[in-house]
Amino acid sequence: AQTVTQSQPEMSVQEAETVTLSCTYDTSESDYYLFWYKQPPSRQMILVIRQEAYKQQNATENRFSVNFQKAAKSFSLKISDSQLGDAAMYFCAYRSQSFGNEKLTFGTGTRLTIIP
Amino acid sequence: GAGVSQSPSNKVTEKGKDVELRCDPISGHTALYWYRQSLGQGLEFLIYFQGNSAPDKSGLPSDRFSAERTGGSVSTLTIQRTQQEDSAVYLCASSSYYSNQPQHFGDGTRLSIL
Repeated sequence: AQTVTQSQPEMSVQEAETVTLSCTYDTSESDYYLFWYKQPPSRQMILVIRQEAYKQQNATENRFSVNFQKAAKSFSLKISDSQLGDAAMYFCAYRSQSFGNEKLTFGTGTRLTIIP
Repeated sequence: GAGVSQSPSNKVTEKGKDVELRCDPISGHTALYWYRQSLGQGLEFLIYFQGNSAPDKSGLPSDRFSAERTGGSVSTLTIQRTQQEDSAVYLCASSSYYSNQPQHFGDGTRLSIL
């Protein structure tokens, strides 16, 4: 079974600064997807960024980028130019690429606080 | 609607009662997922539908939990004889058929058992 570990229960960053959230995972599969989801107090899980394991290039979405290290099974999220609206719980998630096994396995989350 | 819709938003019920939670996925999405988010257990997978079939029910915690999906669209999660440990936020997500497409989540139903 796959597991996802987020070792930082809480993080804080000054507005406009950069912060990196850590995520490691364990799997015996070679093909899979990794995701970062954001959950504000509204409860809705919002997709921030995703990475296909077969791609060596790190995914980027505007101010959000990842550092994907497949051999180390590490998948960190970097948020640049942090904004007040970035405050939320951030969850790292794993999904197998095998058909019929598309469930997401989540880490325990990191609560990000933005300091004005 | 444009997104995944869940109802009710909040539900308070007495221990021992049955509850039904509803999920209306994004139009055209064939895959539908139920997850549970609780303080003690984090985010857990419950069940996955592809069309009206449920190929993966491995996350249902007990036989008090069941789910169905009709017409390849709306899904209902039913919890019978509710217990206090069932208190949680129940999240629904949907995605298109292709496995490389991400799951889109609803706002969840917060269930409180008195």
